[in-house]
Amino acid sequence: GENVEQHPSTLSVQEGDSAVIKCTYSDSASNYFPWYKQELGKRPQLIIDIRSNVGEKKDQRIAVTLNKTAKHFSLHITETQPEDSAVYFCAASLSSNYKLTFGKGTLLTVNP
Amino acid sequence: GAVVSQHPSRVICKSGTSVKIECRSLDFQATTMFWYRQFPKKSLMLMATSNEGSKATYEQGVEKDKFLINHASLTLSTLTVTSAHPEDSSFYICSARVPGLSTYEQYFGPGTRLTVT
Repeated sequence: GENVEQHPSTLSVQEGDSAVIKCTYSDSASNYFPWYKQELGKRPQLIIDIRSNVGEKKDQRIAVTLNKTAKHFSLHITETQPEDSAVYFCAASLSSNYKLTFGKGTLLTVNP
Repeated sequence: GAVVSQHPSRVICKSGTSVKIECRSLDFQATTMFWYRQFPKKSLMLMATSNEGSKATYEQGVEKDKFLINHASLTLSTLTVTSAHPEDSSFYICSARVPGLSTYEQYFGPGTRLTVT
């Protein structure tokens, strides 16, 4: 089955800096890669996603890049703010079953 | 946007009893829902895929007789934890996929914190 590795497990940045979280996946048939933000005790919130036919997608301060050949994708957050502090999960999915395989998560702390 | 609710948000039960958790899609019909389990400071682990009108598909290592899933309508899936034990204590989250051949997005419910004493 699919295996998703996520790094780093923790990331601390100063407000205004950029943050980058990286994920790799094992199944070359995976074709959908969402990123979720989860605050303590809350539900995961979809913040951005990318499909395998696209190399990059941007939404304001958030961007995701995908390298299908290398089977890795990354989340980029620019101009970080304290409210960006949360756990971020990457995931990969196959269109055949839509099941999401999650990475282990990254605890992002943005220091004021 | 797509809204998914869960009930209850928290439940405490005694060891040996059963607990039912409901997952509802409020503004769309979900032919497929997913049930996850999340331990503190850990990732989400897929337990099973719930398909409307058919049997659920369980992930390897998940006991189907312990975690009963019913998806009787296009807006409701239920997870029943039978004969609960303290090790079943966890955060259970459902998600629903907005139907459509080119639609991949899943929206999550707020989760149910189960504590078995």
